[in-house]
Amino acid sequence: EAAVTQSPRNKVAVTGGKVTLSCNQTNNHNNMYWYRQDTGHGLRLIHYSYGAGSTEKGDIPDGYKASRPSQENFSLILELATPSQTSVYFCASGDAGGEDTQYFGPGTRLLVL
Amino acid sequence: GQQVQQSPASLVLQEGENAELQCNFSTSLNSMQWFYQRPEGSLVSLFYNPSGTKQSGRLTSTTVIKERRSSLHISSSQITDSGTYLCAMGNYAQGLTFGLGTRVSVFP
Repeated sequence: EAAVTQSPRNKVAVTGGKVTLSCNQTNNHNNMYWYRQDTGHGLRLIHYSYGAGSTEKGDIPDGYKASRPSQENFSLILELATPSQTSVYFCASGDAGGEDTQYFGPGTRLLVL
Repeated sequence: GQQVQQSPASLVLQEGENAELQCNFSTSLNSMQWFYQRPEGSLVSLFYNPSGTKQSGRLTSTTVIKERRSSLHISSSQITDSGTYLCAMGNYAQGLTFGLGTRVSVFP
């Protein structure tokens, strides 16, 4: 079974503070993704990456940066956190070999006060 | 942009009943997947099914490309089927666009 882990699992941050969410995958997938899930909006794509050193903007990238330092790791960075970024964040990895599916991490609950 | 619509929004079943969940897409389908979200929040991939019919145990997914729709059939529902079922379209290259989900509650 594919393995995607996220840290921290829960985070409380203050408005204006910097938050870094980390994701690690052991699937050796080229692609990684960050989504957020909010009531009434479903899961929405924030940033994604094709491999180490690459980051691409998804559907809602404003207020977020991403970093892919290696094949295994993909971080989401909130430089100046705002209460509107309170959400559940999911990381996923995927590749096109065979089944074109994505494997998701357990999620990170972020509360910005 | 792409839109994914799921129906019904919620469903209450008595254990043993069957259910049909629907997913409709507003643009041409290039790939679609069904996921199950556990009550505690984790996501599990159920089917990658861009066209045709696939079955896994009591779950069957049918995608009709020209009609821009996909369905998920649950047969003989069990209490452990409770949770939210999400459909999504897109691909590995550009990520997925999700529907809002169908919340399924199965009672004895």
